[in-house]
Amino acid sequence: DAGVTQSPTHLIKTRGQQVTLRCSPKSGHDTVSWYQQALGQGPQFIFQYYEEEERQRGNFPDRFSGHQFPNYSSELNVNALLLGDSALYLCASSLVTGDFYHEQFFGPGTRLTVL
Amino acid sequence: GEDVEQSLFLSVREGDSSVINCTYTDSSSTYLYWYKQEPGAGLQLLTYIFSNMDMKQDQRLTVLLNKKDKHLSLRIADTQTGDSAIYFCAESMADSWGKLQFGAGTQVVVTP
Repeated sequence: DAGVTQSPTHLIKTRGQQVTLRCSPKSGHDTVSWYQQALGQGPQFIFQYYEEEERQRGNFPDRFSGHQFPNYSSELNVNALLLGDSALYLCASSLVTGDFYHEQFFGPGTRLTVL
Repeated sequence: GEDVEQSLFLSVREGDSSVINCTYTDSSSTYLYWYKQEPGAGLQLLTYIFSNMDMKQDQRLTVLLNKKDKHLSLRIADTQTGDSAIYFCAESMADSWGKLQFGAGTQVVVTP
């Protein structure tokens, strides 16, 4: 049973460019969340997708956008890249049930470097 | 800045117990989590505790929650070299399930 997968593993971009990161959730999961983890810090919540809609959003500018596809996979897009966008981007998937608790499974992340 | 605070570093000898501490500020937190991150890897959920509990034990792991002081701790018994990693405390609230608020992480180094 494949866990959460992300692509690419590493990415180098220059300031002002745009980037798209991809995530496939764990089999059976329908919710995808994205986090940004800067070096030496804890992950920061970017947004969450469920039923192809953005359900929650953290304190990130509109340059960060996303999409969820009918097969539950997701993309994170970042426009007009800044040096400060350099980070590990983590995708987490979970399953919506009647219970509140939804364990989130994290992928290995995409390391983005902005030069 | 984070609302969840952790000490940054812990050194422990193999076979001893490790205790990692965390404080959180949101009294409406519903679930509190401990995640482990090894170099180059994503986050692995170790254990979690519901906010109406005081303690949870899971094999070598014991979580203690003091709601009055908003203090959470993770005790690892018989610490092994494979336990060397960064440990993150995280909280979520009932009105925003799935949105985890993480601390900055505690680096645990286990020495032989």
